[in-house]
Amino acid sequence: GAGVSQTPSNKVTEKGKYVELRCDPISGHTALYWYRQSLGQGPEFLIYFQGTGAADDSGLPNDRFFAVRPEGSVSTLKIQRTERGDSAVYLCASSLTGGLNSPLHFGNGTRLTVT
Amino acid sequence: EDKVVQSPLSLVVHEGDTVTLNCSYEVTNFRSLLWYKQEKKAPTFLFMLTSSGIEKKSGRLSSILDKKELFSILNITATQTGDSAVYLCAVGVTSGTYKYIFGTGTRLKVLA
Repeated sequence: GAGVSQTPSNKVTEKGKYVELRCDPISGHTALYWYRQSLGQGPEFLIYFQGTGAADDSGLPNDRFFAVRPEGSVSTLKIQRTERGDSAVYLCASSLTGGLNSPLHFGNGTRLTVT
Repeated sequence: EDKVVQSPLSLVVHEGDTVTLNCSYEVTNFRSLLWYKQEKKAPTFLFMLTSSGIEKKSGRLSSILDKKELFSILNITATQTGDSAVYLCAVGVTSGTYKYIFGTGTRLKVLA
């Protein structure tokens, strides 16, 4: 079926505002990951969901970042009081099981620019 | 701290050349190594490696893992301009849960 879908594709916001980024994973994939990619860098792990629960949120940089996945499918990454340093591409990926033999399938990302 | 290092950082070749990209890692609880190709946006999956010495091959691309020396290589033969991209290496680790740590990537440019 369809791949991982992320919306919006681009988001420009002012410093201090709140933003929400949405990820719709591949149907049937139980694992969902959020990564952040800055220019010239590899993706940096933020958070991993297995079903509805955040199994690992150790990559969230501070308490301004929060993510939910209430029904075990769509996920929303929420950033409060945005800062210019939050500007990056936020990538979402899903995998069938989240286990050893289950590669990540990425969406096209949301490019966030904080002015 | 878990670390994944890719080399070279960038590479420029001509069509028809063969290239070898390197990925070395220092992690605890290694489980797998993955290669991705990233052109404009979404990284696309190339290979997953879990066992040493077994080559994975897809067309002109191949990859192999050495778990003793802690590295993997990605080979591309007879390169084409369409191979121009950033190639990302990711290592799967378990530390309570399962996650992937990415390297910085190798930017490959193939000239016509």
